[in-house]
Amino acid sequence: QKEVEQDPGPLSVPEGAIVSLNCTYSNSAFQYFMWYRQYSRKGPELLMYTYSSGNKEDGRFTAQVDKSSKYISLFIRDSQPSDSATYLCAMSATGRRALTFGSGTRLQVQP
Amino acid sequence: DVKVTQSSRYLVKRTGEKVFLECVQDMDHENMFWYRQDPGLGLRLIYFSYDVKMKEKGDIPEGYSVSREKKERFSLILESASTNQTSMYLCASSPSGGETQYFGPGTRLLVL
Repeated sequence: QKEVEQDPGPLSVPEGAIVSLNCTYSNSAFQYFMWYRQYSRKGPELLMYTYSSGNKEDGRFTAQVDKSSKYISLFIRDSQPSDSATYLCAMSATGRRALTFGSGTRLQVQP
Repeated sequence: DVKVTQSSRYLVKRTGEKVFLECVQDMDHENMFWYRQDPGLGLRLIYFSYDVKMKEKGDIPEGYSVSREKKERFSLILESASTNQTSMYLCASSPSGGETQYFGPGTRLLVL
C-alpha cells in the first residue's frame, strides 16, 4: 500500500464549479502538507502549504488538513479553464527532508 | 523568486550511453533533490543532497549516481542508460529546515 493515495482522475468540471481534490495517507508522523500544480510538460509549482491540522485560504484556493482522519483536501472555487492541470499532494514529517507525493489528480475545467 | 534551472528540456540518448543531467538553483538552498516522474507512479525520489559533497539515496537510486561539488549545482548521472530510464526528470531545492521544495521545469529523457 502506498503511503499517500490520490485519485488519478481525470476530473472534468464546468467553468465556475467548485472543485474538491483529496489525498489520504497512512503515516501519522506527517506534519507538513503541500499542494503542487503541474501544467503539462512543466515542473510542479507550489500552490499551498499547511502545517498540521486546519484550514488555509489563498484567493480561490482552500487547503484543509484532518490529521485524525489522515485526509487532506484542496478546494478550488469558481474554477477556470486555466486551472486545468495535474494537482499533486505532498507531505513530510518533522526532520525529514524528502517529500512523499501522491500520484496526482488530473483536472479539466471545461469552458 | 526561487529559480531552479535544468540544463536540457529534452534529451534523446542511446542505450549504454553515459548521461548527465544538471540542475542549478540560485537561492542558496542547502537541500537539492532529483526525482523521476512516470504516469501512474507520481514523483519518486532518486537521490538528494543536504550539503556540498553530501548525498543520500532516495527510493529508487539503482542505475543512478549524483554529484554536488558546488552548493548551487546538483548533477544526476546515468552511468549506462537503459530504456527503462526513459522518464521525466525533475530537480528541486529547499532551504535548510524548510519543507517546501521548488522545482525546475524538468528534463524529458528518451533512451532508445
